[in-house]
Amino acid sequence: KQEVTQIPAALSVPEGENLVLNCSFTDSAIYNLQWFRQDPGKGLTSLLLIQSSQREQTSGRLNASLDKSSGRSTLYIAASQPGDSATYLCAAGGEIQGAQKLVFGQGTRLTINP
Amino acid sequence: NAGVMQNPRHLVRRRGQEARLRCSPMKGHSHVYWYRQLPEEGLKFMVYLQKENIIDESGMPKERFSAEFPKEGPSILRIQQVVRGDSAAYFCASSPGADYSPLHFGNGTRLTVT
Repeated sequence: KQEVTQIPAALSVPEGENLVLNCSFTDSAIYNLQWFRQDPGKGLTSLLLIQSSQREQTSGRLNASLDKSSGRSTLYIAASQPGDSATYLCAAGGEIQGAQKLVFGQGTRLTINP
Repeated sequence: NAGVMQNPRHLVRRRGQEARLRCSPMKGHSHVYWYRQLPEEGLKFMVYLQKENIIDESGMPKERFSAEFPKEGPSILRIQQVVRGDSAAYFCASSPGADYSPLHFGNGTRLTVT
């Protein structure tokens, strides 16, 4: 049974710092690894998706890496801004009859202080 | 180009009543997923549906919960005889098909059972 863990549970840093969020998963037989952002009272916004055959994906100031063999993914945020404050969720994608089934971590609550 | 639409955004029910949560997927998406986020817990998969078919309901509680995605109209998650433990945020996601593109999530329905 897949389990996903995110460390730290909460992180507070000053504006402008680079930071890394960590995600680990127990079953390396994944199809993809996704990072989402969740704002209070809102839904999830997909940030980056890494297919199992890929090692990393980049979008703007965000970079996500995937190491299937060690069961780890990291989300790197460069030059953090107060607008980056949110909860970041990682999810390991398995398969249901050809489509995806996500197992989520509990998230890292990020606060960027001006 | 509307995203995934869920309604109502907030729903209050007394114990024993029925709750009906609706989800309209993105245009062109025929695959719908329901996830539940209990307080202080991560999102948990409940059910995956295609039009008129339940593909995987392994995350659904065995009693009182049901889901459908009819040929016409939104997907419905139905909870009969609600209890306080059903209080949670229920999220719907959709995808265009059986592939590994990112899931698009709605803003959720927050159910409170009094």
